[in-house]
Amino acid sequence: AQSVTQLGSHVSVSEGALVLLRCNYSSSVPPYLFWYVQYPNQGLQLLLKYTSAATLVKGINGFEAEFKKSETSFHLTKPSAHMSDAAEYFCAVSGGSQGNLIFGKGTKLSVKP
Amino acid sequence: DVKVTQSSRYLVKRTGEKVFLECVQDMDHENMFWYRQDPGLGLRLIYFSYDVKMKEKGDIPEGYSVSREKKERFSLILESASTNQTSMYLCASSLYPGGVYNEQFFGPGTRLTVL
Repeated sequence: AQSVTQLGSHVSVSEGALVLLRCNYSSSVPPYLFWYVQYPNQGLQLLLKYTSAATLVKGINGFEAEFKKSETSFHLTKPSAHMSDAAEYFCAVSGGSQGNLIFGKGTKLSVKP
Repeated sequence: DVKVTQSSRYLVKRTGEKVFLECVQDMDHENMFWYRQDPGLGLRLIYFSYDVKMKEKGDIPEGYSVSREKKERFSLILESASTNQTSMYLCASSLYPGGVYNEQFFGPGTRLTVL
């Protein structure tokens, strides 16, 4: 069965610092992987997705993620954090029943001035 | 752009009331989903539907039912609201099941408080 683990429920960085949000997946088939962002009191918005075309995936707002099959990881990074990046981030893998998405529990990112 | 709308952003109901949460998508998507989101628990799937009048239970269907009479509309029903159903409810849609088409598009959410 597919599953997703996000390491760290809270991550705090200083403005301008590197952002690294960790996601490990378990999948019995080649996975499709997604990162979503949720700003306070809003729904989820797609940041980026891995569909096997390229292992390094670029998304919106300067985020990118690298698919590493050997490590079963899909970590999200951004070279320089901005205050507006403060939000909750969810990693998801395709492959639940009926091909649904399986979501991680989320990582809340805080950005300090 | 796909648009998913939910009937209310904030809702306050009393214990025992019947509650309807409505969701509408405008891109002819086959699949629609209802999640609830609670701090520390992430998103948990309540029900989903892959076609009109079809529904499947998710991980936490107890206390909920759904209705999909038209392709674009998916309703979540709390037959008798209880305080432990106080939560954020998120609706989503996707084109087809399977693979890349599983990209889900989310509505803004309904924050339900049951007193």
